[in-house]
Amino acid sequence: KQEVTQIPAALSVPEGENLVLNCSFTDSAIYNLQWFRQDPGKGLTSLLLIQSSQREQTSGRLNASLDKSSGRSTLYIAASQPGDSATYLCAVKPYNFNKFYFGSGTKLNVKP
Amino acid sequence: EAQVTQNPRYLITVTGKKLTVTCSQNMNHEYMSWYRQDPGLGLRQIYYSMNVEVTDKGDVPEGYKVSRKEKRNFPLILESPSPNQTSLYFCASSPYNGDQGTEAFFGQGTRLTVV
Repeated sequence: KQEVTQIPAALSVPEGENLVLNCSFTDSAIYNLQWFRQDPGKGLTSLLLIQSSQREQTSGRLNASLDKSSGRSTLYIAASQPGDSATYLCAVKPYNFNKFYFGSGTKLNVKP
Repeated sequence: EAQVTQNPRYLITVTGKKLTVTCSQNMNHEYMSWYRQDPGLGLRQIYYSMNVEVTDKGDVPEGYKVSRKEKRNFPLILESPSPNQTSLYFCASSPYNGDQGTEAFFGQGTRLTVV
């Protein structure tokens, strides 16, 4: 059974820092991995999707990498801003697809 | 604009009063699913559908019903809501194929409180 783990569970950093969020998964038979952002009590906003054949994807200050063989993905946020404060979730789409497997999230707080 | 639309966004109801949360997508996706999100438990799948008239149970289906009569709609029905169904609910859609580039789209969420 696929299990997705995110470390750390919470992170507090001063504004301007570069930071890395981690996501690991136990079964490498995946189509893709998606990173989401969730503001308190709100919906899921898709940030980046990495296909299983890709190594990384970039969007603005965000860069996500994928190492399928080791079951790891990282989300790199450059020059963090208070507006980046949210919970970040990763989700994998497995080959035997009937659901997405989510990590429990990393709650990020960027202090002004 | 590609989107998944849920209604209502917020709902407070009483125990036992039947309710329906609607979900509609405009991307012609085969796959649709409902998740609930609870503190400390993360996102758990309730039901999913691979296509019209094809539905199946997820991890926590008890107390819920779904139907998929049209490709674009996937309503979640609570026949007799109970307080333990108080949660944040999300509808999701995605193409159902082996294309690696197909991403999941999620609705804005429905905050349900059962008193």
